[in-house]
Amino acid sequence: DAGVIQSPRHEVTEMGQEVTLRCKPISGHNSLFWYRQTMMRGLELLIYFNNNVPIDDSGMPEDRFSAKMPNASFSTLKIQPSEPRDSAVYFCASSYIFRTGGLGQGGGELFFGEGSRLTVL
Amino acid sequence: LAKTTQPISMDSYEGQEVNITCSHNNIATNDYITWYQQFPSQGPRFIIQGYKTKVTNEVASLFIPADRKSSTLSLPRVSLSDTAVYYCLDTNAGKSTFGDGTTLTVKP
Repeated sequence: DAGVIQSPRHEVTEMGQEVTLRCKPISGHNSLFWYRQTMMRGLELLIYFNNNVPIDDSGMPEDRFSAKMPNASFSTLKIQPSEPRDSAVYFCASSYIFRTGGLGQGGGELFFGEGSRLTVL
Repeated sequence: LAKTTQPISMDSYEGQEVNITCSHNNIATNDYITWYQQFPSQGPRFIIQGYKTKVTNEVASLFIPADRKSSTLSLPRVSLSDTAVYYCLDTNAGKSTFGDGTTLTVKP
């Protein structure tokens, strides 16, 4: 079984450049999450989708960040323009949630990808 | 979702049982308690989840008291490969807020 697939695994870019991170969730999962991990801030939830619809993007740091999920098998996280402080490991995770909202039916096990390590010079 | 509180680090020796306790002071009625494990350069991996009382699977046990303000992850007979960061979370429909985690170091 293929897990969550992220690309690229490593990206080094210069300040001001556009960065696009990609994620393929596990087939059959209906929810997708983007996290960012740094030493200073730990793991932060940026945005999550349910049935391809963004449910909560309150964790997106600023307008330079955007995320899309055009279909159930693909999502992107874009940073434009990138800054050195965006350097981090970005994780994508997927899950099957029986019910969303306040009465979650179980917490939903998250399956994480290997991450995309971004370095902005 | 509120962040949980757990010890920053713990040391243990191979073959010992390890118990990591977490405080869930702001857990909501609909939240579940979930634990993840993370190795360096990898994404977190689900260990166990529960709502109350005790849950056991092939790798760990989870104890949750009636008031649900705390939880304890129990790892039986740890090995060197259990050295990792362990996170406890309040989870609702998959949405989880990760805290700082507990770095467990297992020594020979």
